[in-house]
Amino acid sequence: QQQVKQSPQSLIVQKGGISIINCAYENTAFDYFPWYQQFPGKGPALLIAIRPDVSEKKEGRFTISFNKSAKQFSLHIMDSQPGDSATYFCAARGAGGTSYGKLTFGQGTILTVHP
Amino acid sequence: SAVISQKPSRDICQRGTSLTIQCQVDSQVTMMFWYRQQPGQSLTLIATANQGSEATYESGFVIDKFPISRPNLTFSTLTVSNMSPEDSSIYLCSARGGGGLEQFFGPGTRLTVL
Repeated sequence: QQQVKQSPQSLIVQKGGISIINCAYENTAFDYFPWYQQFPGKGPALLIAIRPDVSEKKEGRFTISFNKSAKQFSLHIMDSQPGDSATYFCAARGAGGTSYGKLTFGQGTILTVHP
Repeated sequence: SAVISQKPSRDICQRGTSLTIQCQVDSQVTMMFWYRQQPGQSLTLIATANQGSEATYESGFVIDKFPISRPNLTFSTLTVSNMSPEDSSIYLCSARGGGGLEQFFGPGTRLTVL
């Protein structure tokens, strides 16, 4: 069974600090790794994504680092702001078989940024 | 990006009844999906809604409980049948455009079954 493990479960960061959320997957049958941001009462919003042939992708204050050999990827939020307080989900898209095209989600990380 | 709307946004239903959730996308999309999210939990894929054919269900989800329709490339419905309190959850519609990797989500339908 394909799994994506996410940590930490919750994270508290001071304003201006760096938030780091980690994810690990257990097999290589994934071809796309998005991160979603979800505010209470809202649906998940696509934040940033990376493909496995790239080691890093940056969009504004958000950076994904991808380590293919370790089967790990992480989200870094630079200069974290109170408005970044939300739940973050990593995901991985199946590349073949019965999981082709389907997203497998991590357990989620509740980020709180204190002013 | 695709903008997805869902109706209703929330509902409170009685045990044994059924509720149909509608999902509308503002552009034609290749793939549409239905997810369930328990409060404070991650997302679980219920099924892939296939246009012109029967939906493809994930393990643990069956058509009799969660019938799905997708009459065209912009619209889908999910019915939660014969509801029990265990069906109380947030139901999310999701879509992905043709050839694209990006997958977008609707705002969700918060269902409470009494």
